[in-house]
Amino acid sequence: EVQLVESGGGLVQPGRSLRLSCAASGFTFDNYAMHWVRQAPGKGLEWVSSISWNSKNIVYADSVKGRFTISRDNAKNSLFLQMNSLRPEATAFYYCVKDNAGHGLSSFTFDYWGRGSLVIVSS
Amino acid sequence: QSALTQPASVSGSPGQSITISCTGTSNDVGDYKYVSWYQQHPGKAPKLIIFDVSNRPSGVSNRFSGSKSGNTASLTISGLQAEDEADYYCSSYSSSTTRVLFGGGTKLAVL
Repeated sequence: EVQLVESGGGLVQPGRSLRLSCAASGFTFDNYAMHWVRQAPGKGLEWVSSISWNSKNIVYADSVKGRFTISRDNAKNSLFLQMNSLRPEATAFYYCVKDNAGHGLSSFTFDYWGRGSLVIVSS
Repeated sequence: QSALTQPASVSGSPGQSITISCTGTSNDVGDYKYVSWYQQHPGKAPKLIIFDVSNRPSGVSNRFSGSKSGNTASLTISGLQAEDEADYYCSSYSSSTTRVLFGGGTKLAVL
């Protein structure tokens, strides 16, 4: 059974940093691209960032580029999101998401989602 | 304003069929097969119900179907059931710097 478990969320002041982690299990982690998608409370979904299986291809939404960094550790089946210079508009549930494609490809289709980690940016 | 345009709400009676549209541009929906639909119940994570325009993941009911014409994708739910009441989001790969676009979401009410 595929499981994605996020951790690291919480209340943080504007301008500070936070690092989210995602522990993956139930599939061959290093075969798949991974993504972060966020959802502000009561709002819609917003794609944040994606990383290829080998970390060689990384892309970010314009809204986080230069402040967020996605990374992965295939040996530990883990995905990360380092969030710096946080702004109040970053308040959201952050979902760790698995790509549908496999075999080193990326379809930007999200077939398994974690439960989400809530980040609140407020003074 | 969301990059992909969906109606804010739709409704139907049990047993009926409804269709939710998702309109993008030739840089996303119109040019790529990577159009997906997600179902989200309150307090839950989204669930993939359609991928690559019209494919259903294993375990998803065949009452859900997807299609695309030009820059508009559509999700049809036939034989509406109470459990279908949820928010539905479309998404598409995009050639812009924003690689993945989502619609603003459609709230489905089963009356």
